[in-house]
Amino acid sequence: EAGVTQFPSHSVIEKGQTVTLRCDPISGHDNLYWYRRVMGKEIKFLLHFVKESKQDESGMPNNRFLAERTGGTYSTLKVQPAELEDSGVYFCASSQLGGGYPDTQYFGPGTRLTVL
Amino acid sequence: GQNIDQPTEMTATEGAIVQINCTYQTSGFNGLFWYQQHAGEAPTFLSYNVLDGLEEKGRFSSFLSRSKGYSYLLLKELQMKDSASYLCAVPSVGGSTLGRLYFGRGTQLTVWP
Repeated sequence: EAGVTQFPSHSVIEKGQTVTLRCDPISGHDNLYWYRRVMGKEIKFLLHFVKESKQDESGMPNNRFLAERTGGTYSTLKVQPAELEDSGVYFCASSQLGGGYPDTQYFGPGTRLTVL
Repeated sequence: GQNIDQPTEMTATEGAIVQINCTYQTSGFNGLFWYQQHAGEAPTFLSYNVLDGLEEKGRFSSFLSRSKGYSYLLLKELQMKDSASYLCAVPSVGGSTLGRLYFGRGTQLTVWP
């Protein structure tokens, strides 16, 4: 069974540019989470999808971040325009719905974003 | 709020035993996860504890004391491949934030030959 995949693995952009990150969850997993790790800090929650609906987006830093999950499969996270403080590693995780709570989340390898 | 604390770094030698501690202060509690993360890779699930006591899984064991807000991960017969970051995480208790994990900063373990 394929794990959670993320694309790209690395992205280097200039301040003011736009970047779109993609996450493909484990097949059949309805829960999809985005997290971010800024250098020297802990991994922090960004948002949570259940199927195609946003269950909780209270962790999104500001309105420059837009997450979508059309069709309830893969998800994208767009940062527009990117700022220096957006640099970090963006992780995606997925879990089954109805598998009991708390669900065990399976993580992707992350996208390392560097904003210059 | 949630406060999860773990040591930043630890070192040990091959074949030894190491204990990685995690203390937490959370509003409500619904268990605690440990993840392992090798550099540049995905965090991978190691264990979940919700009841007090020790749970053993091969060379790795995880302990929980809810009254003390304390957990530890015990790694036995250390191998070089155990060099990694170990992440302690607690899930949200409920409400609109149901599902999210709160992480500690991770403990970077280095195993020397």
